[in-house]
Amino acid sequence: DVVMTQSPLSLPVTLGQPASISCRSSQGLVYSDGNTYLSWFQQRPGQSPRRLIYKVSNRDSGVPDRFSGSGSGTDFTLKISRVEAEDVGVYYCMQGTHWPPHTFGQGTKLEIK
Amino acid sequence: EVQLVESGGDLVQPGGSLRLSCAASGFTFSSYDMNWVRQAPGKGLEVVSYISTTTGGTYYADSVKGRFTISRDNAKKSLYLQMNSLRDEDTAVYYCALSITPAAIRNGMDVWGQGTTVTVSS
Repeated sequence: DVVMTQSPLSLPVTLGQPASISCRSSQGLVYSDGNTYLSWFQQRPGQSPRRLIYKVSNRDSGVPDRFSGSGSGTDFTLKISRVEAEDVGVYYCMQGTHWPPHTFGQGTKLEIK
Repeated sequence: EVQLVESGGDLVQPGGSLRLSCAASGFTFSSYDMNWVRQAPGKGLEVVSYISTTTGGTYYADSVKGRFTISRDNAKKSLYLQMNSLRDEDTAVYYCALSITPAAIRNGMDVWGQGTTVTVSS
């Protein structure tokens, strides 16, 4: 299975400041149809996971535009332009290119400094 | 409203069995592939099993292969996970989940249930 490696695993951020999470895959994520199936999920404390972004940079409906995704090949980034209190939680990257199965990163815990 | 509601989680002894259910509403259940994803306490996300709606094909993580069986009843709009020979390491919250928008499995799951807790302990 493809291994997804996130960094950092813990991310203390001051309110209003930007945040960035890195995700690296053990294999390239470009699929034969030309798409790159890399998604990002947010899991707030006590809640189910929520998909934020799919295909590297496409925001899901209702996701604030302070969240953005970028990257290519094996290296990807989730950026939050200005962290708000509601952004506290754990963030996961996930690949679907080499499905089955989907594989997730270990998670990055974002907290307010 | 699109909704998934899991049930069936419980405290069970090692070697025991459980059957999880996931009731779907608000969308055409028979049109979508379905997944079970679990999260052990304080740990990350692991896809346990998947079932195709078109072929009936299934996937199982190596950690559960031969012990878990996924199934679905499109008439009842329900997904199931039969869990046998349970081990301590199966302790987790189990979510059912699917990809609706866009409806491509490789994009990952945009609809999740609230989860049901399975605890395996003597």
